Amino acid sequence: AQTVTQSQPEMSVQEAETVTLSCTYDTSESNYYLFWYKQPPSRQMILVIRQEAYKQQNATENRFSVNFQKAAKSFSLKISDSQLGDTAMYFCAFMKGQGAQKLVFGQGTRLTINP
Amino acid sequence: EAQVTQNPRYLITVTGKKLTVTCSQNMNHEYMSWYRQDPGLGLRQIYYSMNVEVTDKGDVPEGYKVSRKEKRNFPLILESPSPNQTSLYFCASTARPPVNTEAFFGQGTRLTVV
Repeated sequence: AQTVTQSQPEMSVQEAETVTLSCTYDTSESNYYLFWYKQPPSRQMILVIRQEAYKQQNATENRFSVNFQKAAKSFSLKISDSQLGDTAMYFCAFMKGQGAQKLVFGQGTRLTINP
Repeated sequence: EAQVTQNPRYLITVTGKKLTVTCSQNMNHEYMSWYRQDPGLGLRQIYYSMNVEVTDKGDVPEGYKVSRKEKRNFPLILESPSPNQTSLYFCASTARPPVNTEAFFGQGTRLTVV
């Protein structure tokens, strides 16, 4: 079975700073996908960024980027120039490549951006 | 607009009173799932469906039922709710890979069982 671990329950940074959220996972699969989801106070689950395991290049989406270390099974999220609107719970998630029937989530990291 | 619609958003009920949380998607997705979110545990899958009339248990199925009679709908049924089912529930849908791996989530249902 796959597991996803987020070891930072809470983080807090000042606006405009860079912050990195950690995520490690355990799997024996060779084909899989990794995701970061954002959950603001509205509770909506919003996809931030996605990484295919077969791609060596790290995914980026504007101010969001990942550091994907496949051998180490690590998938951290970097938020550059953080903004007040980035305040949210962030979940790391894993999905097997064969069949999209299940996302396995980490415990979540509550990120607060302070003015 | 592509969306997953859950109802209700908030629900308070008493132990043992049957309830249904509805979920509907307008994207013609094959896969649909129910998750519950609890503090410190993240989201855990309750049940999933790979197509009409095809459902299977996730990681925490006890106390829940689902059905998939139409492709767009995937209701979650609690036949006899108990306080340990107090949680935040999400419905999600996904297209069959590799078309698109993004899961679309409903707005969530906050359920309190007293």
